[in-house]
Amino acid sequence: SAVISQKPSRDICQRGTSLTIQCQVDSQVTMMFWYRQQPGQSLTLIATANQGSEATYESGFVIDKFPISRPNLTFSTLTVSNMSPEDSSIYLCSADGNRATNTEAFFGQGTRLTVV
Amino acid sequence: QQQVKQSPQSLIVQKGGISIINCAYENTAFDYFPWYQQFPGKGPALLIAIRPDVSEKKEGRFTISFNKSAKQFSLHIMDSQPGDSATYFCAASGGGSEKLVFGKGTKLTVNP
Repeated sequence: SAVISQKPSRDICQRGTSLTIQCQVDSQVTMMFWYRQQPGQSLTLIATANQGSEATYESGFVIDKFPISRPNLTFSTLTVSNMSPEDSSIYLCSADGNRATNTEAFFGQGTRLTVV
Repeated sequence: QQQVKQSPQSLIVQKGGISIINCAYENTAFDYFPWYQQFPGKGPALLIAIRPDVSEKKEGRFTISFNKSAKQFSLHIMDSQPGDSATYFCAASGGGSEKLVFGKGTKLTVNP
């Protein structure tokens, strides 16, 4: 399976600032996804990042707060804007395989964000 | 609305025992059911996945059982080992969407 490099692996940020998380895949993928995972909790999908078009956001998540870029088929960024302590979480990117060919989805290692 | 319900929330098993985690789904359009294993500080890693055209899939010590009529699927870990101690997530997707819907997770502890 492909490898996803996600950085930073962790960061401590001041409230009111923004953090951009980068996700690099070692092969071209059609779809990339961004998730949030509270410690000890499940994964919640933030948005789907599509190359060449606007990201698609899930209910409860908005572009102004979580702008996403997808400049090519191997790279995406998620920005957490105007951070507050409630944004403290683990952020994960995922690259989707092709269901028809049974190429499975895989995840980066995550970014552990703490907002103080 | 939780589309995939996972149980139990936590599970303690002795080494060599069988670990069983259950999931139930609501959306009949789902046609892909993976299980992910996550160790602390790591991203989820695909363990095994099944499609509804088969009732069971086995890979090594890991088996998925799938019951389409009951809309349930389960993960069985045979001969559980302390190294299997992790959080396990079931998930589902389908209906023309590649988006995965995750269960809430099961924290498995295998005692030596």
